[in-house]
Amino acid sequence: EAQVTQNPRYLITVTGKKLTVTCSQNMNHEYMSWYRQDPGLGLRQIYYSMNVEVTDKGDVPEGYKVSRKEKRNFPLILESPSPNQTSLYFCASSLLLGGTDTQYFGPGTRLTVL
Amino acid sequence: DQQVKQNSPSLSVQEGRISILNCDYTNSMFDYFLWYKKYPAEGPTFLISISSIKDKNEDGRFTVFLNKSAKHLSLHIVPSQPGDSAVYFCAASEVGAGNMLTFGGGTRLMVKP
Repeated sequence: EAQVTQNPRYLITVTGKKLTVTCSQNMNHEYMSWYRQDPGLGLRQIYYSMNVEVTDKGDVPEGYKVSRKEKRNFPLILESPSPNQTSLYFCASSLLLGGTDTQYFGPGTRLTVL
Repeated sequence: DQQVKQNSPSLSVQEGRISILNCDYTNSMFDYFLWYKKYPAEGPTFLISISSIKDKNEDGRFTVFLNKSAKHLSLHIVPSQPGDSAVYFCAASEVGAGNMLTFGGGTRLMVKP
């Protein structure tokens, strides 16, 4: 089954404790990205990657890191989480660039930073 | 400042009637628009899209209308069904500027039986 998976689905942590949210897709997609969803703000892009070893900042990259060492994986790293990073996070992938290709989203990771 | 806005946080409609969800944008460079639907505890799923060279795109019960001069698009669902109850996000992108989507804040649609 074609899908985007994220782990963990739920995470409660404390300020400053490094964490990683994993994302994996099995569709051989070139493009992957991370979004955060906050009430009234919709989804905002954090980082994206156009291919292996190619990453770039989205709208709200502060406090986040990513890596793309393999085509299928795109982990999101919070080196020193803060309470304002409490949010619902989505990973997405699409086959091509260009803005017209459908993005497929993972099920989401709800993160709470105390 | 949000470049894509959905001014109605929620909408309630009777089953069988039409649902109209609205979206406004400010960036005139946007030339591709999408609607995503999101159920609780799931990721958004693509619903329908429209290019700026068109003013209407239809897919079954779903039709998206684009008014470029007003920088406004709308999603019509006819007839509405209880299974359509979800949060709907409008999104926009610039073709050729990567695959970055700019989302609106979402509208929660409730279709009552």
